[in-house]
Amino acid sequence: SAVISQKPSRDICQRGTSLTIQCQVDSQVTMMFWYRQQPGQSLTLIATANQGSEATYESGFVIDKFPISRPNLTFSTLTVSNMSPEDSSIYLCSVVRRNYGYTFGSGTRLTVV
Amino acid sequence: EDQVTQSPEALRLQEGESSSLNCSYTVSGLRGLFWYRQDPGKGPEFLFTLYSAGEEKEKERLKATLTKKESFLHITAPKPEDSATYLCAVQVSGNTPLVFGKGTRLSVIA
Repeated sequence: SAVISQKPSRDICQRGTSLTIQCQVDSQVTMMFWYRQQPGQSLTLIATANQGSEATYESGFVIDKFPISRPNLTFSTLTVSNMSPEDSSIYLCSVVRRNYGYTFGSGTRLTVV
Repeated sequence: EDQVTQSPEALRLQEGESSSLNCSYTVSGLRGLFWYRQDPGKGPEFLFTLYSAGEEKEKERLKATLTKKESFLHITAPKPEDSATYLCAVQVSGNTPLVFGKGTRLSVIA
C-alpha cells in the first residue's frame, strides 16, 4: 500500500490562527482526500484534491476556511484557517491506488485553545 | 443519500469471548465494503475489502462477511490487543472517497 507521511502529528493552537497540515505520498496518486474526525465521531470528508484543478468541497466545508493545495501528484496541504475550539479534531489525508485500495495518513490531532 | 450504520457503538468483551460487529449500508451502488481498525491517536489501518455478497475474508482472529445489505466482522477468542475502534466504509463508485460509519469501539478485558 502507499506510504503517507502526514505532518504535524499534533498541535495546540490559539484561536484565530491558522495551521497547515502536509501530506507526502511515496508514489504518484491522482486523487487525495482530506477527512475530519471530531472527538468520538467517524470520518467526515472535507474535500477531494486532484492535481491541477481546484479541490472539490463537501457540503458544510468552504475553501476560505479549509484551503487546499495540490502542487504535484505526491503532495498536498490542508490549511485550517481562523481556528476556533470547534475545529479541534483529527485531520486525515487519504489516497487511493489501483490494486492497493485506500490508505490513510497517521493523522494530525489539532487542539484549539 | 449513501449511509453506513454500525452497531453496537461500543462493545466490552472478556478475553476469549467471541462476538460480531455489524455494518449495514444503504447505497446507490456498492463497489466495495471496507473494514479498518483505528487505535487512539492514529489513522485507520486497513483490514479487509469485500466486493460481492457471499464473500468472506479472514485474518488471524477476524473474519469479515458480506450480504446485500450488511457486513459482519466476527472476532473469535479476542485478546486485549484487539481493543480498538473498528470502522466500516463503502465505496460507491470508481475512485470516489469512502463513506464511513461511526465505528464500534471494542474493549477486550483480560
